[in-house]
Amino acid sequence: IAGITQAPTSQILAAGRRMTLRCTQDMRHNAMYWYRQDLGLGLRLIHYSNTAGTTGKGEVPDGYSVSRANTDDFPLTLASAVPSQTSVYFCASSEKSQTDTQYFGPGTRLTVL
Amino acid sequence: GQNIDQPTEMTATEGAIVQINCTYQTSGFNGLFWYQQHAGEAPTFLSYNVLDGLEEKGRFSSFLSRSKGYSYLLLKELQMKDSASYLCAVTDSNYQLIWGAGTKLIIKP
Repeated sequence: IAGITQAPTSQILAAGRRMTLRCTQDMRHNAMYWYRQDLGLGLRLIHYSNTAGTTGKGEVPDGYSVSRANTDDFPLTLASAVPSQTSVYFCASSEKSQTDTQYFGPGTRLTVL
Repeated sequence: GQNIDQPTEMTATEGAIVQINCTYQTSGFNGLFWYQQHAGEAPTFLSYNVLDGLEEKGRFSSFLSRSKGYSYLLLKELQMKDSASYLCAVTDSNYQLIWGAGTKLIIKP
């Protein structure tokens, strides 16, 4: 592994289903982030984690949850997907905080029908 | 509220120079980033400014004026591969990163 990986690459999901998007980094970065990107709206922060064991809410956290059991992994869970959660999801990491350069994973394209 | 403004789209000619502007209104300032994002790909880091002035990196330069809440990204000797979206992002006083919607740059031969 080099950098950040995300899985799956894309997914079509029925509304009401539960879904976990996976994110793993091998840079030993303390901070990790989940964004969604919608046309014309730019990147919006869903949740973040400044270090293993801690998480925080971003701009659009409703309907999403995260955990940070260790440094490398930061999964994002949609408990009961809705069509408005159709988006491209990017995971990112930075060395310490949001003042540091962020490195992004390749993204997950999620469609909720 | 916090806001970052960038033009939605710009068009330029291969070999030319283009300047992409970014203005921001945020609660405090702790740095400004520029990222490049090709269609269907993830954003990648281009530049970081925290002090006023110009930062040059090869064909790309970024300028910051904190008093005016203004930055620009200057791309010289444009190449077709520079066709991408350019994202401006500002870290506020709470160390939260605020993102602009991005500027789509179209390069024509």
